[in-house]
Amino acid sequence: EVQLVESGGGLVQPGGSLRLSCAASGFTFSNSWMNWVRQPPGRGLEWVANIKHDGSERYYVDSVEGRFTISRDNAKNSLYLQMNSLRAEDTAVYYCAREKFNPWGQGTLVTVSS
Amino acid sequence: QAVVTQEPSLTVSPGGTVTLTCGSSTGAVTSGHYPYWFQQKPGQAPRTLIYDTSNKHSWTPARFSGSLLGGKAALTLSGAQPEDEAEYHCLLSYSGVGVFGGGTKLTVL
Repeated sequence: EVQLVESGGGLVQPGGSLRLSCAASGFTFSNSWMNWVRQPPGRGLEWVANIKHDGSERYYVDSVEGRFTISRDNAKNSLYLQMNSLRAEDTAVYYCAREKFNPWGQGTLVTVSS
Repeated sequence: QAVVTQEPSLTVSPGGTVTLTCGSSTGAVTSGHYPYWFQQKPGQAPRTLIYDTSNKHSWTPARFSGSLLGGKAALTLSGAQPEDEAEYHCLLSYSGVGVFGGGTKLTVL
């Protein structure tokens, strides 16, 4: 079964850092582009970042450029999102998704609040 | 970055047909934007219905179809069912960077 499982969410103070992980199984992770997408409570989806299968290309939404870093470890079938200088507006459920957005993970909630 | 626009809300009668659209602030939407359509129900993760304009996944009901229409990406639902009531999101790609629309709340009534 193709599956993605996010972890690492939680409560963090403004200005703090958090690292999200996404564990992949059931497909050849090292051949797949991967995405992070977020959804603030009660709002729409926002694409955050993606990374090529070998890590050689990465793209970000303007609002996280310079603060967030997407990375991957193909040996561990894992995707990461390092989030620094967090702001209240980064509060959201964060989803990882394989290329073609198939599948999505179940999401992990990040809350930025003092 | 570009702004992607969707109708905030639409209503369709059971058995009826409705078309949701997805426009781009940069001009006409083309196949090069690789349009995606997602369905999301309350409390659930999104589910991909359409990718690359018109391609369906194995779980996509046949009553959903994707196309380009009048310079926009379009999702047409033919023969709406009560279970199709949901939020629908489109995504366009701009040279590797994705941008979602604001979502369309579809009511089947």
